[in-house]
Amino acid sequence: DIVMTQTPLSSPVTLGQPASISCRSSQSLVHIDGNTYLSWLQQRPGQPPRLLIYKVSTRFSGVPDRFSGSGAGTDFTLRISRVEAEDVGIYYCMQATQSPYTFGQGTKLEIK
Amino acid sequence: EVQVAQSGAEVKKPGESLKISCKFTGYNFANYWIGWVRQMPGKGLEWMGLIYPGDSDTRYSPYFQGQVTISADKSISTAYLQWNSLKASDTAMYYCARLWGGFDYWGQGTLVTVSS
Repeated sequence: DIVMTQTPLSSPVTLGQPASISCRSSQSLVHIDGNTYLSWLQQRPGQPPRLLIYKVSTRFSGVPDRFSGSGAGTDFTLRISRVEAEDVGIYYCMQATQSPYTFGQGTKLEIK
Repeated sequence: EVQVAQSGAEVKKPGESLKISCKFTGYNFANYWIGWVRQMPGKGLEWMGLIYPGDSDTRYSPYFQGQVTISADKSISTAYLQWNSLKASDTAMYYCARLWGGFDYWGQGTLVTVSS
């Protein structure tokens, strides 16, 4: 199985400041079709997960442009340019390159 | 607009069977993989498996193979997750989601509680 490791596991951030979450995979996430199926999800308290970013850097419909994704191979990053109160929650990376699909442990974003 | 409606919360006893559902609307259900994800209380997300409704091709995580059955009825745009004999350790929130690049549209979750 591909292991997804997120850092940090907890991130206290000041409103209006940037935040960054790292996700590292135990193997390359480049699929034989040439795509890299690394996505980022946000789970607000009491809510289902919500897709933010897919294929490393493509923002899903309706996702604010303060969210961005980058990376390649085994190292990926989610950045929030200016954290807002509604961004509180747990963020997960997920790989869908190789079965079984796997998630990172989650990073809890909270406001200082 | 894609919408997902999951069946309601369930309370069951160990050994009982259960089938929960997800109805998708707003797109051609047959043409996209549908996945199921488990979230145990206070824990992270675990991928259980996928089904392609067009031909019922099904893939399971090895950790869930033999424990659950995933199925779909494309005539009513509905995917299912089924247990033959529930255990207390099956207590969790279960989500369905459509797969396209990532899991893009999610249901609201079905809470399954298994307790004697």
